[in-house]
Amino acid sequence: EDQVTQSPEALRLQEGESSSLNCSYTVSGLRGLFWYRQDPGKGPEFLFTLYSAGEEKEKERLKATLTKKESFLHITAPKPEDSATYLCAVRSGATNKLIFGTGTLLAVQP
Amino acid sequence: DVKVTQSSRYLVKRTGEKVFLECVQDMDHENMFWYRQDPGLGLRLIYFSYDVKMKEKGDIPEGYSVSREKKERFSLILESASTNQTSMYLCASNMGATNYGYTFGSGTRLTVV
Repeated sequence: EDQVTQSPEALRLQEGESSSLNCSYTVSGLRGLFWYRQDPGKGPEFLFTLYSAGEEKEKERLKATLTKKESFLHITAPKPEDSATYLCAVRSGATNKLIFGTGTLLAVQP
Repeated sequence: DVKVTQSSRYLVKRTGEKVFLECVQDMDHENMFWYRQDPGLGLRLIYFSYDVKMKEKGDIPEGYSVSREKKERFSLILESASTNQTSMYLCASNMGATNYGYTFGSGTRLTVV
């Protein structure tokens, strides 16, 4: 069964304190791993897509990496405005459906 | 930018009412999706559509139906709302036959009392 697990469930950082969020997955034939950011009361906002092990993508203070079993979202020197829930999702096989993890709630304190 | 617009941000409905949630996208996307999001359960797929007048059940279709009469519009229908359908409902779309991610709407927070 295709499955996505994110950890930790919640993470509290001080401004400038770098850390990583984890997304582990089991999927039959990965056709993309997706990272989204979601602010309270809003829809998820697309961040990155990774397709193959070893691939990396960067955007401002965020960097996503992919291995055959997991993905990491590295946050370098975070700011309070990075506070949000970060969602990971995978697409498997021949379907166009995304399977989501339950997210990591990140709080960055000034 | 692709825009996915959900007609209501907040709705309060009574048990037993028929509820319509509307979603419109403006980028000619073939694929449209309805999810619900609940704490601790993440996003769960209710229904999706790959083309006009076409629909497929997702993981939790019970108690819901959908309609796609035009390419840009995908409606979610709660035939007889119940309190366990209180949730955040999210509509999404993407291009057909691609590996692109989805573009989501801002969501509708539905409360059934």
